[in-house]
Amino acid sequence: AQSVAQPEDQVNVAEGNPLTVKCTYSVSGNPYLFWYVQYPNRGLQFLLKYITGDNLVKGSYGFEAEFNKSQTSFHLKKPSALVSDSALYFCAVRDDEDSSYKLIFGSGTRLLVRP
Amino acid sequence: NAGVTQTPKFRILKIGQSMTLQCTQDMNHNYMYWYRQDPGMGLKLIYYSVGAGITDKGEVPNGYNVSRSTTEDFPLRLELAAPSQTSVYFCASSRQGANQPQHFGDGTRLSIL
Repeated sequence: AQSVAQPEDQVNVAEGNPLTVKCTYSVSGNPYLFWYVQYPNRGLQFLLKYITGDNLVKGSYGFEAEFNKSQTSFHLKKPSALVSDSALYFCAVRDDEDSSYKLIFGSGTRLLVRP
Repeated sequence: NAGVTQTPKFRILKIGQSMTLQCTQDMNHNYMYWYRQDPGMGLKLIYYSVGAGITDKGEVPNGYNVSRSTTEDFPLRLELAAPSQTSVYFCASSRQGANQPQHFGDGTRLSIL
């Protein structure tokens, strides 16, 4: 069965410092991995995805994520955090053996960037 | 560029009432999804559709129904509202293909009292 774990409910970081939001996954086949961000009273916005190829994926707003197959992880990173990055972040996985294209979401990590 | 549009944004229902949450997309996406988001629980898939006339159950379908008569529209029906259905509901759509991201509406916040 597919599953996603985001072990931290909240991540706190000072503006200008690097940030990492953690995600691990479990699938039967090969994973397709996604990161989304949610601002208050809004829907989820797509940030980036890993399908195949380079393990370091670059996305919107300066975010990047590193795919690690041996550790089954897909951590979200940014070299220098902004106060405006404060939001709820979701990791999601899709199994390439699942023809329904369903996404399984983690429980979310709240990122708080302090000035 | 509207994307995925959900109506209403907020609604309060009494126990036992029924209502339909509307969702429409203008991106000509074949795939559409309904999720519910509960605090600290992430998103749970209620129903999904791979094209007009085709729907299937997700993880938490009990108490809900859907239909897909057109590519653009994917309404979600609550027949007998229960307090456990208090949640935020999100509709999403995507192109066909496992590598395609889903595009979300801004949600409907529903309270059952």
